[in-house]
Amino acid sequence: GAGVSQSPSNKVTEKGKDVELRCDPISGHTALYWYRQSLGQGLEFLIYFQGNSAPDKSGLPSDRFSAERTGGSVSTLTIQRTQQEDSAVYLCASSSGLAGVEQYFGPGTRLTVT
Amino acid sequence: GESVGLHLPTLSVQEGDNSIINCAYSNSASDYFIWYKQESGKGPQFIIDIRSNMDKRQGQRVTVLLNKTVKHLSLQIAATQPGDSAVYFCAEKGSGGGADGLTFGKGTHLIIQP
Repeated sequence: GAGVSQSPSNKVTEKGKDVELRCDPISGHTALYWYRQSLGQGLEFLIYFQGNSAPDKSGLPSDRFSAERTGGSVSTLTIQRTQQEDSAVYLCASSSGLAGVEQYFGPGTRLTVT
Repeated sequence: GESVGLHLPTLSVQEGDNSIINCAYSNSASDYFIWYKQESGKGPQFIIDIRSNMDKRQGQRVTVLLNKTVKHLSLQIAATQPGDSAVYFCAEKGSGGGADGLTFGKGTHLIIQP
């Protein structure tokens, strides 16, 4: 079956612009995760959704970052007023189990802020 | 702070030999310890996990060992193949269900020599 898909695969934006990243999880997976992967910080957990609800947003790097999920499926991660330090690969994962141990990752969106 | 880290950034082995990738962790409260594999241009892929009340678990060609006394996790890959070339991450997960997200180590690049 189809895996986790993310779009766009690459995004180049100018500093100060807003960007929206999209994640389509595996059908039926209720849990959805966003991570950021950069050379300096490795893989960082950002936020988790169970259904449409995100119980804890403290992992988001700053208030410029927001995420939502609608219909228990597609999720978007929005970064406002992008900064160069936001450049990274943004990964989305989904999971069917409550424990969230086995997560299925998408290919990521490579964001470059110039 | 609590973190999961790796001893070696690069490991080179001959095709057909066994590989051992090591990881040190500091959060004794983690409920699960997990290994993920990431190939170039792709998202991480789940390999195997071990719960904190176990010390060994075997999968297909892989074995994970957990030593809670010294807070050490290892992944053994038997008869390594060219397709095993990738970056391997250890990760930990708390007992809070999906909301904890995964905490990843920095990764070990496994290179298979022909």
